[in-house]
Amino acid sequence: AQSVTQLGSHVSVSEGALVLLRCNYSSSVPPYLFWYVQYPNQGLQLLLKYTTGATLVKGINGFEAEFKKSETSFHLTKPSAHMSDAAEYFCAVSDRGEGGKLIFGQGTELSVKP
Amino acid sequence: GAVVSQHPSWVICKSGTSVKIECRSLDFQATTMFWYRQFPKQSLMLMATSNEGSKATYEQGVEKDKFLINHASLTLSTLTVTSAHPEDSSFYICSASGGLADPYNEQFFGPGTRLTVL
Repeated sequence: AQSVTQLGSHVSVSEGALVLLRCNYSSSVPPYLFWYVQYPNQGLQLLLKYTTGATLVKGINGFEAEFKKSETSFHLTKPSAHMSDAAEYFCAVSDRGEGGKLIFGQGTELSVKP
Repeated sequence: GAVVSQHPSWVICKSGTSVKIECRSLDFQATTMFWYRQFPKQSLMLMATSNEGSKATYEQGVEKDKFLINHASLTLSTLTVTSAHPEDSSFYICSASGGLADPYNEQFFGPGTRLTVL
């Protein structure tokens, strides 16, 4: 069965600092991988996704993630945090044969200090 | 990008009543729609998957008679919480995917519906 683990339920960084949110997955086949952001009382917005091809994926708002098969990881990074990045971030995995069903990690709340 | 709407955005109801939540794909045909439930400070929990014109597939532990899902068209799915009780209070989020039209089955999420049962 697939699973997703996000290390750290809460991450706090200073404005301008590097953002690193960790995600590890388990899957019997190479999965599709996603990062979503959720602002309070809102739905999910896709930041980026890995499906095939280049393992370094660039997304919106300056975020990027690298698929590392050997480490079963898909960590999310941003070189310089902005106050508006404060939100909940979810990593998700989809088994290519499961009709698109997503398995979500527990989420990481990102706080950005001025 | 693909847009998914939900209505209502929030609803308050009395215990024992039923509440219907609509999920619409506004600019694409959604062959598959998903319904999630999210408790405060927690992740999304998949409740069920519905395909247009067929019965929904419920996840283990989700009561199909309590959470009625209808996916009557390629742009509309509804979730009805029957005989709601305070423990059903939650944030309900739907998503839609284009099925075969999208080889990666990307899901597009609605803005969510906050249900409070008194």
